Amino acid sequence: ETGVTQTPRHLVMGMTNKKSLKCEQHLGHNAMYWYKQSAKKPLELMFVYSLEERVENNSVPSRFSPECPNSSHLFLHLHTLQPEDSALYLCASSQGASGRHLAKNIQYFGAGTRLSVL
Amino acid sequence: AQRVTQPEKLLSVFKGAPVELKCNYSYSGSPELFWYVQYSRQRLQLLLRHISRESIKGFTADLNKGETSFHLKKPFAQEEDSAMYYCALSDRASKIIFGSGTRLSIRP
Repeated sequence: ETGVTQTPRHLVMGMTNKKSLKCEQHLGHNAMYWYKQSAKKPLELMFVYSLEERVENNSVPSRFSPECPNSSHLFLHLHTLQPEDSALYLCASSQGASGRHLAKNIQYFGAGTRLSVL
Repeated sequence: AQRVTQPEKLLSVFKGAPVELKCNYSYSGSPELFWYVQYSRQRLQLLLRHISRESIKGFTADLNKGETSFHLKKPFAQEEDSAMYYCALSDRASKIIFGSGTRLSIRP
């Protein structure tokens, strides 16, 4: 499969559960991103990884824990979430030359994981 | 502070009419501006970027540094243009900021 793939597409979890979101890109990119998209707020950048190193962490609560084991895979580990964390979580990738100026490259988005926290 | 403002949540125009989706930004340096689009049941994708200075699907956007705007325009709207449009700004670091989006609805 080509492009950016996110699994699962839908996830329902309780506040005490631990779950993980997965993102995989088949575009040969070296930068990956997590975004949160909720009904009441604009698309929010959560984390950025370049060459498997985290280069951006936008004051995201510690109940969200990213992991980037290689340039093709990105995870978002979730634990003790709150109902207000319910949202669409989008993954994206881009071809950045290095850890800088990543944002100047075009982002390719996955279809997202719709998360509901009960 | 860096900010992207899309003042219209919804814009409805008739087919064949001109379209202008507004985007204003707040940034002290030289930003790079983008328009992303999300059609129904499709993923978010890039429409155009200001440094390319190109026309995509009949859409153009000019960066106006004096007015700090990057409005998206099309002279004649088509029904397939109905979608959610997001204006985005990036700085020299790895930060990207999206506007809240404008839903464009083209009436037949």
